[in-house]
Amino acid sequence: TQLLEQSPQFLSIQEGENLTVYCNSSSVFSSLQWYRQEPGEGPVLLVTVVTGGEVKKLKRLTFQFGDARKDSSLHITAAQPGDTGLYLCAYWTGNTPLVFGKGTRLSVIA
Amino acid sequence: DSGVTQTPKHLITATGQRVTLRCSPRSGDLSVYWYQQSLDQGLQFLIQYYNGEERAKGNILERFSAQQFPDLHSELNLSSLELGDSALYFCASSPAGRYGYTFGSGTRLTVV
Repeated sequence: TQLLEQSPQFLSIQEGENLTVYCNSSSVFSSLQWYRQEPGEGPVLLVTVVTGGEVKKLKRLTFQFGDARKDSSLHITAAQPGDTGLYLCAYWTGNTPLVFGKGTRLSVIA
Repeated sequence: DSGVTQTPKHLITATGQRVTLRCSPRSGDLSVYWYQQSLDQGLQFLIQYYNGEERAKGNILERFSAQQFPDLHSELNLSSLELGDSALYFCASSPAGRYGYTFGSGTRLTVV
């Protein structure tokens, strides 16, 4: 099983700050997904990236898939308390169910 | 509401007991996945069903079993429970093919 490393494991920032979290592997992926999980809830799909170098934006969130399709990043601009949660990346090979990283736990303080 | 329904939301039981967790997938989704989430291991895949048949198995213990019924709802049975089985158990569903998963709100199992 390919391994997804997410960093940092924990992040606590003030409202209005920018941040970037990372999802890295030594393997090449056909696609990669990002999910956000809030306390007491299941993960919710944010985005799927497929093409190397692809950049997708979702309001203040910017997702990038590495050129070699081995890594991805999530950048949040002007973080808000509502962004607090566990951010998970996951890969899908087409033959196996999604495999998740352990996530980055983000806390945005007002 | 994600469209995936899991019951119960909380479950407290003693070691050695057996419990059944239930999941109703989103309307139209044929695949159901079960995941276990703990603080140290993250989200671990247990088992997948597709249209009533087992499709893939992950790190599922022999004490655990699952099935998917003709109406596509699924049940996860956990037996001979141990303290270490305490965790969040999530069900997710998806249509066939390369789509994201829709997760339920989970069942928090506490074994005492």
